[in-house]
Order: sequence, then structure tokens, then C-alpha cells
Amino acid sequence: AQTVTQSQPEMSVQEAETVTLSCTYDTSESDYYLFWYKQPPSRQMILVIRQEAYKQQNATENRFSVNFQKAAKSFSLKISDSQLGDAAMYFCAYRRAIQGAQKLVFGQGTRLTINP
Amino acid sequence: DAGVIQSPRHEVTEMGQEVTLRCKPISGHNSLFWYRQTMMRGLELLIYFNNNVPIDDSGMPEDRFSAKMPNASFSTLKIQPSEPRDSAVYFCASSLSLGGYTFGSGTRLTVV
Repeated sequence: AQTVTQSQPEMSVQEAETVTLSCTYDTSESDYYLFWYKQPPSRQMILVIRQEAYKQQNATENRFSVNFQKAAKSFSLKISDSQLGDAAMYFCAYRRAIQGAQKLVFGQGTRLTINP
Repeated sequence: DAGVIQSPRHEVTEMGQEVTLRCKPISGHNSLFWYRQTMMRGLELLIYFNNNVPIDDSGMPEDRFSAKMPNASFSTLKIQPSEPRDSAVYFCASSLSLGGYTFGSGTRLTVV
């Protein structure tokens, strides 16, 4: 079974600085998708970024980028120029790259605090 | 598109009562997922459907929980009888094949 581990329960960063959230996963499959979701106090789950395992290029979405290390099974999220609105729980998630319904397997989450 | 719609947003009920949570997925999405979120256990998958058919219900805690998807635009998660340990936020999400997942706003259930 696939597992996702986020080893940092909490992180904090000064506004405008850069922070990196860690995620590792375990799978025996070669093709899969990885995600980062943001959950602000409103509790809405918001997709931040998505990475296909077959793509070597790291995904980027504005101030958010990932460092995908397939051999190491590592998928970290970098947030540049942190803003107060980035404060939230961040979840790393995995799904198999198979057609049809495939569940998302989540990590335990990292609570990110932005200090003004 | 209005996104995934869940109702109610909050539910407070007494132990032993029946609780029904509702979900309307995004039109055209063919997969639907029910997750439960607690501080202790994080996000747990309870059950998921593909084309209205349950695929995996191994995450359903016990027989008190049941879920149905009578058509492509509606699903329910029922707890009968409810217990205080069922208190959690319940999320519904939908997706289309290899596409992304869209989550509803969740239902916060409190059983007293």
C-alpha cells in the first residue's frame, strides 16, 4: 500500500521569505501523481500544485514550486515570497496513474504560520 | 460550475440519532469520494464510487456507516446510530478519470 509522510507537523516563516515543506512517499509503482493541497481556516481543500511522476520537470504555479526527486521518493513544496494568506494546513497527497477512480492518499499535514 | 456541494455545513445531533450527509458532485465527474478528517487520524478515505458503483468501502468504520450514490449527481453518507466518536469534518470530493479532485466545503458533525 502507498503511504505519504510529512515529517514537519508545524512550520513558521517570516512574511516575504521562502519556506519549504517536506513530503516523502512510498510506492512500488513507476507512474503516479503527486499533489499539494492547502486547507485554510475556512477548511476548504484547495489544490496548490500537481506533479506527474513521468515528467522530470518540476511543476511551478506562481510563487509555488516543487522539488520532485523520484529516486528518493521526495516531493517538497517551496513557497516563495510568503504572504499572510498562505497560512494554512498543507497536505501532500498521492494517487496512482491508472484510469478510473483512484483514491488520494494523504500525509498527516503541516501547519504553516506566517509571521508578519 | 458551482463546485462540489455538501449539505449541511454544520450538524449537531444527539448520540443515537441518525445523521445523513449529502453531496452533489461536479457535473460530468464520474468518481466520488467520502473522506473524514479528525485531529487524531487526519484525512481518512471512507468510501469511493466510480460511475455510481461503490469501488472500495474498506475505510467505512463499521456497520453504522453506509453510503449510497443513486445517480451521478447525488450521494449520501448515513450514520445510524451516531456516536460522539463520529464527530469530525466529512468531505466529499469528485474527479474525472485522471483529472484533479475537487473537494466540497465539508460538513462539521458534532455528536453530543
